[in-house]
Amino acid sequence: QPVLTQSPSASASLGASVNLTCTLSSGHSRYLIAWHQHQPEKGPRYLMKLKSDGSHDKGDGIPDRFSGSSSGAERYLTISSLQSEDEADYYCQTWGAGSWVFGGGTKLTVL
Amino acid sequence: QVQLVDSGGGVVQPGRSLRLSCAASGFTFSNYGMHWVRQAPGKGLEWVAVIWYDGSDKYYADSVKGRFTISRDNSKNTLYLQMNTLRAEDTAVYYCAREGADYVFDFWGQGTLVTVSS
Repeated sequence: QPVLTQSPSASASLGASVNLTCTLSSGHSRYLIAWHQHQPEKGPRYLMKLKSDGSHDKGDGIPDRFSGSSSGAERYLTISSLQSEDEADYYCQTWGAGSWVFGGGTKLTVL
Repeated sequence: QVQLVDSGGGVVQPGRSLRLSCAASGFTFSNYGMHWVRQAPGKGLEWVAVIWYDGSDKYYADSVKGRFTISRDNSKNTLYLQMNTLRAEDTAVYYCAREGADYVFDFWGQGTLVTVSS
């Protein structure tokens, strides 16, 4: 089954942009993934699904500030015009071999 | 609008049982596969179990296989997780999630906390 790798932490300034990366394991570079945002004390929120060609479909009400792109085994989440409420954990997720898989998550700090 | 409301969490002793519920509204519940996902303190998200839209198939993470049972009542728009022989390592917030197209979770509940402690 696929393994998803994320950096544990990232930070960027208010109003700036940030790229979060999710890397698929060898042999799984064409897999679709989903990005989820998890704010403290809330349920996770689906942001988008992202294909290997970079095309993505966002969830209901997700602002244009959130976008996705792909390059090989890498899947990116770009958040522009960072706001304080974007401070959260971000998880990528995929499916394979009858099991659903999450990356370890990236904790985003907005400075 | 789609709503998933998790309930049933609490403090339970090791070896005992607990049943979680997830009440769904705002969509045709019987058309969707449903999942349970958990997050232990200080850890990331971990997939727990899935049930097909009609209940015909179920799969579990190895960490809960043989102890947890996922079920659903489509007449009540409710998903369940029966947790038996609970261990300290099952302590987590448990979320139900709806499976949309392409095997992604497109809506989530707010979570319910399960604490396994003597």
